[in-house]
Amino acid sequence: QEQLVESGGGVVQSGRSLRLSCEASGFTFSNFAMHWVRQAPGKGLEWVAGISYDGSHQYYADSVKGRFTISRDKSQNTLSLQMNSLRTEDTALYYCARVNGWYSDYYYTLNVWGQGTTVTVSS
Amino acid sequence: DIQMTQSPSTLSASVGDRVTITCRASQSISSWLAWYQQKPGKAPNLLIYKASSLESGVPSRFSGSGSGTDFTLTISSLQPDDFTTYYCQQYNSYPWTFGQGTKVEIK
Repeated sequence: QEQLVESGGGVVQSGRSLRLSCEASGFTFSNFAMHWVRQAPGKGLEWVAGISYDGSHQYYADSVKGRFTISRDKSQNTLSLQMNSLRTEDTALYYCARVNGWYSDYYYTLNVWGQGTTVTVSS
Repeated sequence: DIQMTQSPSTLSASVGDRVTITCRASQSISSWLAWYQQKPGKAPNLLIYKASSLESGVPSRFSGSGSGTDFTLTISSLQPDDFTTYYCQQYNSYPWTFGQGTKVEIK
């Protein structure tokens, strides 16, 4: 069974850092591009970052570029999101998600999602 | 960045109704458009990809159409389980972007 389990969320002060992790199981992790999507309380979905299946390319939303870093470890089947210089507007539920096709950063979208981990940034 | 505009923001309907949600892109995205359903407290669930392809396991009452800049999600006969929120998303180019969501509520 394909599964993604996020961890690492918590309450942090503005300006500090936090690292999220997403453990994948039930599929060949190294075959798929992976993404982070977030949802602020009571708001819509916002794509945050994506990484190619082999880790060679990373993509970011303008709102997090220069502050967040997405990475992956194929030996641990783990996706990570390093979040620095956090702002109150980064408060959200962060989802890890997998695309629905192999070996490409493009033209596949998200068909496997975790349940999310909550990040709260206080002022 | 490509802006995605959904309409309406809220839709009131009854069980059995045929409903349509519209999504417009600020520039052409070919057919690289997905629709998601999200229930409260749950992760989004992919319904439609590549504008009109039905994801495995999704009921056939859901359908998608469109290309270029204008897209629609249609639910042919609304069921009680369908009263929730729907999002469109473009994956033609980075940064990916979502529409603001459409909440389907009971009339």
